[in-house]
Amino acid sequence: AQRVTQPEKLLSVFKGAPVELKCNYSYSGSPELFWYVQYSRQRLQLLLRHISRESIKGFTADLNKGETSFHLKKPFAQEEDSAMYYCALSGRGTGGSYIPTFGRGTSLIVHP
Amino acid sequence: DSGVTQTPKHLITATGQRVTLRCSPRSGDLSVYWYQQSLDQGLQFLIQYYNGEERAKGNILERFSAQQFPDLHSELNLSSLELGDSALYFCASSVPRRVGNQPQHFGDGTRLSIL
Repeated sequence: AQRVTQPEKLLSVFKGAPVELKCNYSYSGSPELFWYVQYSRQRLQLLLRHISRESIKGFTADLNKGETSFHLKKPFAQEEDSAMYYCALSGRGTGGSYIPTFGRGTSLIVHP
Repeated sequence: DSGVTQTPKHLITATGQRVTLRCSPRSGDLSVYWYQQSLDQGLQFLIQYYNGEERAKGNILERFSAQQFPDLHSELNLSSLELGDSALYFCASSVPRRVGNQPQHFGDGTRLSIL
């Protein structure tokens, strides 16, 4: 069974500090991984996906197959980064269809 | 605005009742996903429809069912409601290319409260 683990419910940092939101996954094949973000009073929205290998709003995430991790990083946190972050995996289920699995989310609070 | 519309925004009902939640996907999206988000379970995938057909099933109870209509809107039916069904129910849609691995666009959710 596929699983996504976000070990931190809450991450609190000061503005300008580096941020790393951890995500570990369990999946036997080659997964596709995503980070979604939900800002206050807004919808859940895609932040980035591993196949794009891009930086969005200063955030990057590298897939480490050896450690089965997809941690989200930003070198200098901004107050506007305060939000709920969800790591998600899309992998083939037993029926062959892709099943999305989300972590429980990490609440990031960036203090001024 | 992601373009995904969910109605109603809030629903309050009693145990044993049946409710229907509605979702209109983004224009052009053929896939619709339903999720349940509760405090203790996080975001749980329930079911996916693609162009009117069931494509993938997650942790959906037998008391719950869904369908996608020819105009691509989808409904999630919850019956014999229990207190534990109180949650936020999200709908998401995605573009049809490589179904299942495309980013999803979420609606605002329907908050269901069972009294």
